Amino acid sequence: QAVVTQEPSLTVSPGGTVTLTCGSSTGAVTSGHYPYWFQQKPGQAPRTLIYDTSNKHSWTPARFSGSLLGGKAALILSGAQPEDEAEYYCLLSYSGAWVFGGGTKLTVL
Amino acid sequence: EVQLVESGGGLVRPGGSLRLSCAASGFTFSNAWMSWVRQAPGKGLEWVGRIKSKTAGGTTDYAAPVKGRFTVSRDDSKNTLYLQMNSLKTEDTAVYYCTTGGNYWGQGTLVTVSS
Repeated sequence: QAVVTQEPSLTVSPGGTVTLTCGSSTGAVTSGHYPYWFQQKPGQAPRTLIYDTSNKHSWTPARFSGSLLGGKAALILSGAQPEDEAEYYCLLSYSGAWVFGGGTKLTVL
Repeated sequence: EVQLVESGGGLVRPGGSLRLSCAASGFTFSNAWMSWVRQAPGKGLEWVGRIKSKTAGGTTDYAAPVKGRFTVSRDDSKNTLYLQMNSLKTEDTAVYYCTTGGNYWGQGTLVTVSS
């Protein structure tokens, strides 16, 4: 089974920009992996921010964006807010089977 | 408004069985591919399995750790998704979420497997 890798932790200053990445043990991440990004705060269910690489839901704050970058999927947060402190998970699809990354704990400090 | 409400969690002995339900509303359930995702205490998200819509064949796929023990099914007349869990192990202890193809999530139901 493929392994999906994320940075275990990142720190960003309020108002700053940070990039979270999502890599695959099988090679470059492509749009064919249909990358998803989720935000999860303690005690809450995950909330989908980005689907299919770069598409946003109506509830996704404009400061979040998704892309492919250097063979990985990327979640870019521009203008971090204190409420963005959370765990972020990416998800890749491998011929229908889903594999989640281990998550990135984002601290806004 | 899309709503997913899981139920059926609880304490079960190792080797036991449990059936989870996910009641859906606010969208055309019969057209949706539905998945179960779990999260062990203090751990990350783990995909459990999926069922396609009947028009897409209604087939199921499972993650390796649960294949042969868990079964995902659906009742489109009741807008309900199910997860039948057999031969439960302590490592199956987790909050179980249902999700519509990764876009909408329920609040989860806790399954504890312990003697």
